[in-house]
Amino acid sequence: NAGVTQTPKFQVLKTGQSMTLQCAQDMNHEYMSWYRQDPGMGLRLIHYSVGAGITDQGEVPNGYNVSRSTTEDFPLRLLSAAPSQTSVYFCASREGEDEKLFFGSGTQLSVL
Amino acid sequence: EDQVTQSPEALRLQEGESSSLNCSYTVSGLRGLFWYRQDPGKGPEFLFTLYSAGEEKEKERLKATLTKKESFLHITAPKPEDSATYLCAVANFGNEKLTFGTGTRLTIIP
Repeated sequence: NAGVTQTPKFQVLKTGQSMTLQCAQDMNHEYMSWYRQDPGMGLRLIHYSVGAGITDQGEVPNGYNVSRSTTEDFPLRLLSAAPSQTSVYFCASREGEDEKLFFGSGTQLSVL
Repeated sequence: EDQVTQSPEALRLQEGESSSLNCSYTVSGLRGLFWYRQDPGKGPEFLFTLYSAGEEKEKERLKATLTKKESFLHITAPKPEDSATYLCAVANFGNEKLTFGTGTRLTIIP
């Protein structure tokens, strides 16, 4: 049971570089989301999707783009990385109206 | 704005020493309150959902309770493998986001 798979696990970027954090789930969940976790702060929602072709902004969307072309995949794009985006990023999914979120193992991103 | 405050920030217990973690919350319309466990270097793992005041749920040595202002996670006779950070979160009827607290880092000493 793979669940929610995130790649890469670690990444170091220079300011201004772009990259995509990958997220895939094999549970056929319609809802997928991205959170960031920073020291001393709770997890914060960046973007979410309630199904293929549908995305919406969360609490902290600036500097991030998402798309949802398939049910399985929900990549998070940083177009021009900034030091303020140094964080641990988690992808999560859930089934329908069930509130139980399944989280991936996270991507630790450092922007220098 | 929804708010979640967890206390204490950190808690060290001897193996077998029972205690409780607190989650105080303010939310305009509570859709649910959630407890997650997070181990170092891993993503949060779901434990419980509570929907209304007075509700209780149990799993092994853990029991979660809910009032209109706070939730408690009671840990009975904990073991070293219960060491983790425990996160509380609330969902509001008005939007899709979960508001998370900063967590309680629990250490059980053998």
